[in-house]
Amino acid sequence: GAGVSQSPSNKVTEKGKDVELRCDPISGHTALYWYRQSLGQGLEFLIYFQGNSAPDKSGLPSDRFSAERTGGSVSTLTIQRTQQEDSAVYLCASSLKGATYEQYFGPGTRLTVT
Amino acid sequence: SQQGEEDPQALSIQEGENATMNCSYKTSINNLQWYRQNSGRGLVHLILIRSNEREKHSGRLRVTLDTSKKSSSLLITASRAADTASYFCATDIRAQKLVFGQGTRLTINP
Repeated sequence: GAGVSQSPSNKVTEKGKDVELRCDPISGHTALYWYRQSLGQGLEFLIYFQGNSAPDKSGLPSDRFSAERTGGSVSTLTIQRTQQEDSAVYLCASSLKGATYEQYFGPGTRLTVT
Repeated sequence: SQQGEEDPQALSIQEGENATMNCSYKTSINNLQWYRQNSGRGLVHLILIRSNEREKHSGRLRVTLDTSKKSSSLLITASRAADTASYFCATDIRAQKLVFGQGTRLTINP
């Protein structure tokens, strides 16, 4: 079946603009994760959705970052008033349930803030 | 601070040799997972080892887990050029989310 998809694959935006990044998880996966990866670095956890539970937002770096997951499926990560330090690859992953299951990653969105 | 830390940060070996990467973590876990990343994009799951397991095999991969030392190792035998990638360990936090280390960049020289 289809894997995790993300759009757009690349996004170039001007400093101060808002951006929306989209993630379509694997059908039936109740857990969805967003990560950020700067060049040559590891993955930085941003936010975690599990079913109908309140999301774990503990990794969001500032109040300019927000995410929602509609109908337990598609998720959108929004970054308001983008800054140059927001430039990174944003990765989405889904898993059947929680962290005791393997995660399936999308190809990522490369965000460049100029 | 990172829950999982890989060692070494970079490893370069000749094709056909074995590659060993290590991961240390700080808190108790339910499972530890290893992932591979090519070209800085999506990660691919390699293997999951649960806290009550000590060793697991998958093809040319062998993973060990020592919960007393809070460490794991990933061994890739008979390396190939296609194994060139970054390798990450990830540990679960209270079975809620995975925390990834900084990764080991493995280069296989032909």
